Amino acid sequence: DTGVSQDPRHKITKRGQNVTFRCDPISEHNRLYWYRQTLGQGPEFLTYFQNEAQLEKSRLLSDRFSAERPKGSFSTLEIQRTEQGDSAMYLCASSPSVGGSGNTIYFGEGSWLTVV
Amino acid sequence: AQSVTQLDSQVPVFEEAPVELRCNYSSSVSVYLFWYVQYPNQGLQLLLKYLSGSTLVESINGFEAEFNKSQTSFHLRKPSVHISDTAEYFCAASGGYNKLIFGAGTRLAVHP
Repeated sequence: DTGVSQDPRHKITKRGQNVTFRCDPISEHNRLYWYRQTLGQGPEFLTYFQNEAQLEKSRLLSDRFSAERPKGSFSTLEIQRTEQGDSAMYLCASSPSVGGSGNTIYFGEGSWLTVV
Repeated sequence: AQSVTQLDSQVPVFEEAPVELRCNYSSSVSVYLFWYVQYPNQGLQLLLKYLSGSTLVESINGFEAEFNKSQTSFHLRKPSVHISDTAEYFCAASGGYNKLIFGAGTRLAVHP
């Protein structure tokens, strides 16, 4: 039983560059989430997919951020023209849809982004 | 709107002592509550959750949490902590679409 997998685990990029993170959820999980976590804070919700449909986006997700889940399996989170304020850990998570809001959400180990 | 407040940012404790990590939530509707643990440089792992039924829920490693509706609290407790319990602990409430709203976290530091 493989968990949620994220790649890369660490990324250092220069300000203004684009970066892309990939997430492979637990197989058969319909729901996929992206969160952002900065030092000393709890994770903040960014966006949510039910299969391939992106159903909710946080206002934290500026126009420079785009997330996709083209075939309802893996997902990518792209950040364009990175800024130093984008430095954070980006967490992907997945859950089954059956069972409603009480389902356990399983998290990946996160992708650390450092913008220099 | 839902919100989760963790009342202590850091809790230092000696090994084998009891510990309580406090969490309060605000919600106008029924809520599901969770505690997650995060070890350094790792993602979050579910510790325990309250959905319904018995207000006392337990994890496999000795932690327990009690749902108190009148006080809107979901405090996490352990009667005797170990060095390996040193980690960041996050309380969370489930909103729409199973979306989790997290508190800011409590850093538990267990000292020998």
